[in-house]
Parts: sequence; C-alpha cells; structure tokens
Amino acid sequence: AQSVDQPDAHVTLSEGASLELRCSYSYSAAPYLFWYVQYPGQSLQFLLKYITGDTVVKGTKGFEAEFRKSNSSFNLKKSPAHWSDSAKYFCALEGGTGNYKYVFGAGTRLKVIA
Amino acid sequence: NAGVIQTPRHKVTGKGQEATLWCEPISGHSAVFWYRQTIVQGLEFLTYFRNQAPIDDSGMPKERFSAQMPNQSHSTLKIQSTQPQDSAVYLCASSLLDTQYFGPGTRLLVL
Repeated sequence: AQSVDQPDAHVTLSEGASLELRCSYSYSAAPYLFWYVQYPGQSLQFLLKYITGDTVVKGTKGFEAEFRKSNSSFNLKKSPAHWSDSAKYFCALEGGTGNYKYVFGAGTRLKVIA
Repeated sequence: NAGVIQTPRHKVTGKGQEATLWCEPISGHSAVFWYRQTIVQGLEFLTYFRNQAPIDDSGMPKERFSAQMPNQSHSTLKIQSTQPQDSAVYLCASSLLDTQYFGPGTRLLVL
C-alpha cells in the first residue's frame, strides 16, 4: 500500500525565515514524488518532482526538495520565505510502475507573516 | 497552451438532480484524472483514463457516479441523483507521463 504523511497541518513563520515542509511516504519500491502548491481560491500548481538521480531537486518559485531514502522523506525547502508563499502545499507519491495515479498527503497550510 | 479546461466553474443543483462536469485536457496529453476535494476529506482520487481507456476507477462511489472519455479532447464526470454530500470541488488533471497538470476545478453545490 502507498501512503503519504504531511504531519504539520499548519505552519506559520516570518518573512525572511527559512521554510521546510515535511513529507514522509510509505512505499515498498522506488517512488516518484511531487510537490504541488494551491493558492487560495486556485487549483493545484506543480512545483517539483523527484524521479531518479540527484536527491536534491529544484523547482519553480525558488523551491527545492530533498529525497532521503533512509527515512522515506521528501521535504520541501525555500529560503528566504516571502509572504506570497502563503498557500497550501501538497506532497504526492506515484508508484512509478507506469500507473500514473497519485496518492496525496493531507497538505500543509503555510502562512508567512510579513 | 490553454491548460486544462473545466466547465462549468460553478454549478448549483438541487438534491436528486443530475450534474455533468466537463474536462478538456491539455492537447497531446494521454492521461486524464478526476479528483474530488473537500475540507473534510482532502484530495480524493476518483478515476483515470489513459488513451481514452478507463484504467482505474477505484475511487469512484459505486452508485450514482460515472465517467467517460469519448474522445481525446474531453472527459465527463456525471453524478446522478446528487446529494448534499457530493458538494465539493471536482478537479481534473491531465498528463503526458508522470507530471499531472490540474484544471481550475468545478465547484459543485448541492442544495
């Protein structure tokens, strides 16, 4: 079975601080991992993905994420954070077997205070 | 590239009525996915098609929900006899390979 856990439902930090949103997964084989962002009133936008290769992947809007197989994590990072980063962030896993179905985490709502 | 198009953007139905939601994937994308998003349940996978063929409908409620993809340019999600608990944002996404691109969603309200 595949599952994704985003343990922090809400994160609040000050503008200029470093942000790190946590994501852990459960999957018996090599996962494909994704981060999406959802701004208020909008749909999901793709940020970045890890498929294979370099464990640190860079995406849009200045975000990056690090894949750590040792602890089954794929945390999203950005420094410094900006008030415009306030949104809900979703981590997703795809089994990588050619079935392109995603399993999403519950999401983390980030608030960046100016 | 217009992105994924979903119509209507908002739909209000009375309990027991039918609702049909439309999705036009990005041109050239071979897979179409349907999700439902609510505050309580979060993002729920419903069903998906690849090359117009249904691949996985494990998230579809067995009664009242159906989805079709009659051609490569659109897919429909039909809900018969809508109930208040069907109120949600229905998201469509398309992909060529592993990355899904989402449409703006259809907000369905069942009164």
